Amino acid sequence: AQSVTQLGSHVSVSEGALVLLRCNYSSSVPPYLFWYVQYPNQGLQLLLKYTSAATLVKGINGFEAEFKKSETSFHLTKPSAHMSDAAEYFCAVILRSGSARQLTFGSGTQLTVLP
Amino acid sequence: ETGVTQSPTHLIKTRGQQVTLRCSSQSGHNTVSWYQQALGQGPQFIFQYYREEENGRGNFPPRFSGLQFPNYSSELNVNALELDDSALYLCASSLTSGGDNYNEQFFGPGTRLTVL
Repeated sequence: AQSVTQLGSHVSVSEGALVLLRCNYSSSVPPYLFWYVQYPNQGLQLLLKYTSAATLVKGINGFEAEFKKSETSFHLTKPSAHMSDAAEYFCAVILRSGSARQLTFGSGTQLTVLP
Repeated sequence: ETGVTQSPTHLIKTRGQQVTLRCSSQSGHNTVSWYQQALGQGPQFIFQYYREEENGRGNFPPRFSGLQFPNYSSELNVNALELDDSALYLCASSLTSGGDNYNEQFFGPGTRLTVL
């Protein structure tokens, strides 16, 4: 079964610094992979998705992620952190359940941006 | 275009009670998925409804049940509430159009359930 592992439950960066949030997946075939962001007391918002097209995926708010099959990774990056990026970030993969397609999420990484 | 809405926003129940949570799909969507997000964890898939039938289920007991209505809105019902059912319940809608393509799920803001 496909699953995802997020390394680091908490990451702190200074404003303007590089953001790197790590995600590794377990799968024998290239999956659909996603990054979602969750702000306090809100639902999930899709940042970007990988669907077997370009390996470098650009998303909203300046985020991007690179699919690396050799490393089974899909790390999320942003060149320069902004205070508004403080939130929880989830990596997810698609898993079949019956005829349904369910999102299977990692445990999340809380990003803190320091002034 | 109206997004996914959920009601109520917050709910407090006691152990053993029953609860119903509601979700209105985004316009044009025909599929609803429900997820449970315990504090400090990622969302866990409960089940999915398509054309008013459950077409997939995660590792949740039968006391978690659902409905989908002809207008594609949905309910999540939980019977015999337990303390561990305290969580944020997220609803997501999508458009299932056949084939092997994945269509993005759009999430509502969630219902925060507290079981005392």
